[in-house]
Amino acid sequence: AQKVTQAQTEISVVEKEDVTLDCVYETRDTTYYLFWYKQPPSGELVFLIRRNSFDEQNEISGRYSWNFQKSTSSFNFTITASQVVDSAVYFCALISGTYKYIFGTGTRLKVLA
Amino acid sequence: DAGITQSPRHKVTETGTPVTLRCHQTENHRYMYWYRQDPGHGLRLIHYSYGVKDTDKGEVSDGYSVSRSKTEDFLLTLESATSSQTSVYFCATTTGAGAGGTEAFFGQGTRLTVV
Repeated sequence: AQKVTQAQTEISVVEKEDVTLDCVYETRDTTYYLFWYKQPPSGELVFLIRRNSFDEQNEISGRYSWNFQKSTSSFNFTITASQVVDSAVYFCALISGTYKYIFGTGTRLKVLA
Repeated sequence: DAGITQSPRHKVTETGTPVTLRCHQTENHRYMYWYRQDPGHGLRLIHYSYGVKDTDKGEVSDGYSVSRSKTEDFLLTLESATSSQTSVYFCATTTGAGAGGTEAFFGQGTRLTVV
């Protein structure tokens, strides 16, 4: 069975602080893909990154970075020097095997000015 | 932007009535998904389709049915709406390339209220 756990329901930080959003996943498949999406207050869902199970390289894109560790089944997302515009709900997602695209419950990030 | 259109965008319906939500795509994507989004539950998969007339259940399929008679349309039907089905419904599509691990493109969402 597939499962994605985002244990942090809500995080509040002050602008310019760094923040890490946690994602833990479960799957029995050896081939799988992990994703992060952002849902700003306007409601649309925005794709941020995709990672496959054979690529454990960390990735950095501007102020965003992602740490994929198969040993702990985690795919964490860090925002460096957070900004008010980063305030959103962030979802981690997993797809494997049966093409079921499963999302976590989301983490609401509030960045305070 | 991917052409994913949901209709209607908002609907209020009475308990016990059937309701159909439509997802239309112009991208020729193979895979289509229906999710519901509720506070504290994130996005939960209701049903998905891996081709025309090929569908399967997700995590919360009870009370819902789907149909996909052509590539571009994926219909979600609430057979007899209940207040617990009040939610925001999102449709998503993926190309399925790369063994299925592609980003999902989402519709704008449908806010359904069952009174």
